[in-house]
Amino acid sequence: AQSVTQLGSHVSVSEGALVLLRCNYSSSVPPYLFWYVQYPNQGLQLLLKYTTGATLVKGINGFEAEFKKSETSFHLTKPSAHMSDAAEYFCAVTRGNTGGFKTIFGAGTRLFVKA
Amino acid sequence: DTGVSQNPRHKITKRGQNVTFRCDPISEHNRLYWYRQTLGQGPEFLTYFQNEAQLEKSRLLSDRFSAERPKGSFSTLEIQRTEQGDSAMYLCASRRDAGLDTEAFFGQGTRLTVV
Repeated sequence: AQSVTQLGSHVSVSEGALVLLRCNYSSSVPPYLFWYVQYPNQGLQLLLKYTTGATLVKGINGFEAEFKKSETSFHLTKPSAHMSDAAEYFCAVTRGNTGGFKTIFGAGTRLFVKA
Repeated sequence: DTGVSQNPRHKITKRGQNVTFRCDPISEHNRLYWYRQTLGQGPEFLTYFQNEAQLEKSRLLSDRFSAERPKGSFSTLEIQRTEQGDSAMYLCASRRDAGLDTEAFFGQGTRLTVV
């Protein structure tokens, strides 16, 4: 079975500071990993995804994430936070064909950005 | 490609009433998923369709819930005899019937409030 754990339900950073949102997964097969962002009363927007190949993936809005198989982690980072980054972030894994390609989400991390 | 469309965006209903939500997926996306998201939580899988066939239902989907996708295009989610615990954001997503590396695209959601 696959599951996703996001460490820290809330993260607060100052504008211009490093953003680090942590995600660990459990999977019996090579995972396909995603980060989504959700603004208040909105749907989910894909930030980036890891499938195969390069373990450091870059996404929109200056975010990137690194897949570390040995640590079963897929942490999301951004070098310099902007006020517009304040939102809820979800790490997710896709289940395979037997799971209907369902996307399984972590509980989310709310990012606060202080001026 | 106009994205995944959900209607209505907001619904307020009295306890005991029936409600129906509609989801129009991205055209040619074979797979359609319904999720429920409560405050402070990640989206939880409810059910999914491959074309018109409903292939899996979560245990979260009680007998009061029913979903259809009659022609393999749009889908409806009906909740009968609503309860206050049904208050949540209901998200619809669609994806191509392809490999794990294709992401799901989400609609803006329907926020249900049961009073």
